[in-house]
Amino acid sequence: ILNVEQSPQSLHVQEGDSTNFTCSFPSSNFYALHWYRWETAKSPEALFVMTLNGDEKKKGQISATLNTKEGYSYLYIKGSQPEDSATYLCAFLPTSGTYKYIFGTGTRLKVLA
Amino acid sequence: DGGITQSPKYLFRKEGQNVTLSCEQNLNHDAMYWYRQDPGQGLRLIYYSQIVNDFQKGDIAEGYSVSREKKESFPLTVTSAQKNPTAFYLCASRPGQGGPYGYTFGSGTRLTVV
Repeated sequence: ILNVEQSPQSLHVQEGDSTNFTCSFPSSNFYALHWYRWETAKSPEALFVMTLNGDEKKKGQISATLNTKEGYSYLYIKGSQPEDSATYLCAFLPTSGTYKYIFGTGTRLKVLA
Repeated sequence: DGGITQSPKYLFRKEGQNVTLSCEQNLNHDAMYWYRQDPGQGLRLIYYSQIVNDFQKGDIAEGYSVSREKKESFPLTVTSAQKNPTAFYLCASRPGQGGPYGYTFGSGTRLTVV
């Protein structure tokens, strides 16, 4: 059974703090990793698609890195704002041919003003 | 604007009843998926369909049924055989079988058994 783990489960930070969280996935049979941002009462929204070892993607103050050899991805938020409060989900796609993503349980971020 | 529409947003079901959750997309995506979320757990795959008139069971298909008669539509029926149906249900789609494409998600249906 393939397992995807995210840590921490939840996080409270002050406005302006920088923060980061981790997604761990099986290091074999890697095909892609996705990060999603999920605000309460809204649809999960795609942040990044990561496919190559060493990938680094950036969107505004949010960036992500990927290490497929050791099986982890980091998501960084620089200078958190209250509107960054959301659950951040990662989803791992193995090269199993079925194209079924395996989701982590998410990191719930709360940015306090 | 293209997207996925799920309805209803909230649904209450009496024990022993079947209910159907709607999922419609206008993205021209081939593949559609149903996930369930329970507190403290990741999204778990119920059923998926990669093409019209074809679908496969996911990891927790027992007590659920689906159909894929049209490309745009992938309704999920929660049957009376589903022992613990109270949960949040998310529908998603992606362009097709190949490529590392991510999902486009609907906004979900919260089902409560009363």
